[in-house]
Amino acid sequence: LAKTTQPISMDSYEGQEVNITCSHNNIATNDYITWYQQFPSQGPRFIIQGYKTKVTNEVASLFIPADRKSSTLSLPRVSLSDTAVYYCLVSISSGSARQLTFGSGTQLTVLP
Amino acid sequence: GAVVSQHPSWVICKSGTSVKIECRSLDFQATTMFWYRQFPKQSLMLMATSNEGSKATYEQGVEKDKFLINHASLTLSTLTVTSAHPEDSSFYICSARPSGTGGAETQYFGPGTRLLVL
Repeated sequence: LAKTTQPISMDSYEGQEVNITCSHNNIATNDYITWYQQFPSQGPRFIIQGYKTKVTNEVASLFIPADRKSSTLSLPRVSLSDTAVYYCLVSISSGSARQLTFGSGTQLTVLP
Repeated sequence: GAVVSQHPSWVICKSGTSVKIECRSLDFQATTMFWYRQFPKQSLMLMATSNEGSKATYEQGVEKDKFLINHASLTLSTLTVTSAHPEDSSFYICSARPSGTGGAETQYFGPGTRLLVL
């Protein structure tokens, strides 16, 4: 079963734009891609969800290419409080089955 | 909106005892709830999918007789870790998917339950 892969960590400075990419080669057809933020010892918090092209809300944008084998979470003008682990969540096809799979997570550290 | 609670937030128990964790969707109904386990510095691993009024679907490698799941109402699912052992110590997180969301996999997560088995 192919994994969903993300960079292990990223560093950024306050006020910069951060882009985090998740690779999901075997994403199931017709399923959405969702991104979550997680702080230590807390449950994941919903950030954004999309199916294709681009989605934008008040906190982030999500870019999905036509083949949907990857997705990129874009956080504009990050602040110190955005330091957290970011996960993508997709359904991965395995034969006739679909399996909900979290990405490996990206630790984002925002520096002053 | 879309608030999910878990109780207890943390629990310490002796090896061999059973522990029950509750997951509630507070302001929406959830036909489907999910149970995850997360070890330190690792991603969340799906344990099982809980559907209201029917048996849970367990992921490969998860013992259904050890991790009992009950989803008796549209707002409550429980996970019971039976005969807990130290290797079951972990962070258990539930999520709930609002009824009627169709193909959108929007899950809302609880705050998690830290289990420590001595």
